[in-house]
Amino acid sequence: DTGVSQNPRHKITKRGQNVTFRCDPISEHNRLYWYRQTLGQGPEFLTYFQNEAQLEKSRLLSDRFSAERPKGSFSTLEIQRTEQGDSAMYLCASSPLRGYEQYFGPGTRLTVT
Amino acid sequence: QKEVEQDPGPLSVPEGAIVSLNCTYSNSAFQYFMWYRQYSRKGPELLMYTYSSGNKEDGRFTAQVDKSSKYISLFIRDSQPSDSATYLCASLILTGGGNKLTFGTGTQLKVEL
Repeated sequence: DTGVSQNPRHKITKRGQNVTFRCDPISEHNRLYWYRQTLGQGPEFLTYFQNEAQLEKSRLLSDRFSAERPKGSFSTLEIQRTEQGDSAMYLCASSPLRGYEQYFGPGTRLTVT
Repeated sequence: QKEVEQDPGPLSVPEGAIVSLNCTYSNSAFQYFMWYRQYSRKGPELLMYTYSSGNKEDGRFTAQVDKSSKYISLFIRDSQPSDSATYLCASLILTGGGNKLTFGTGTQLKVEL
């Protein structure tokens, strides 16, 4: 069990560019979550997958954001036409189907210049 | 008003002190309560979680929930400099879809030699 991994760890992009992040959950964890954390705040829920199905999306997830989990394993989060307000730490977490604890990855820190 | 409120600190204590970290929440539907530790520029690490009211102990850490007053506490005994981090409380509602966590802002703790 290697834990949740996320790539890249840090991404610097210019406003208006598209970025994509990847999350590899703990193997055999059916549930996968994306959260966003800004400086001095706790993580905020963005979206949730159970296997390959995206079952819940926060109102924070504007139409510039899209997430996929095509085969129920890894997930990607894409932000189109990035804005400076998108600068944050993007965290991925996974949990087993029968369990409530969520295990977080190291995060991807996005800086939009 | 945020659903989970937490004093951001910073809280500074001498090594060996007993630390008390606290949160309040407003949503009576919250069922599980978690404590995460987050080092600077890292992902949150799950410390403990509890269900309903009562205490749960794990080594130097004790989590306490009082649902009647909507109060969550984490006690750290014999605090060490390595405990210096931000501590996040989180609450969870079981839903038919995902089990999204609602976080407090985090309390920054510094344990000094």
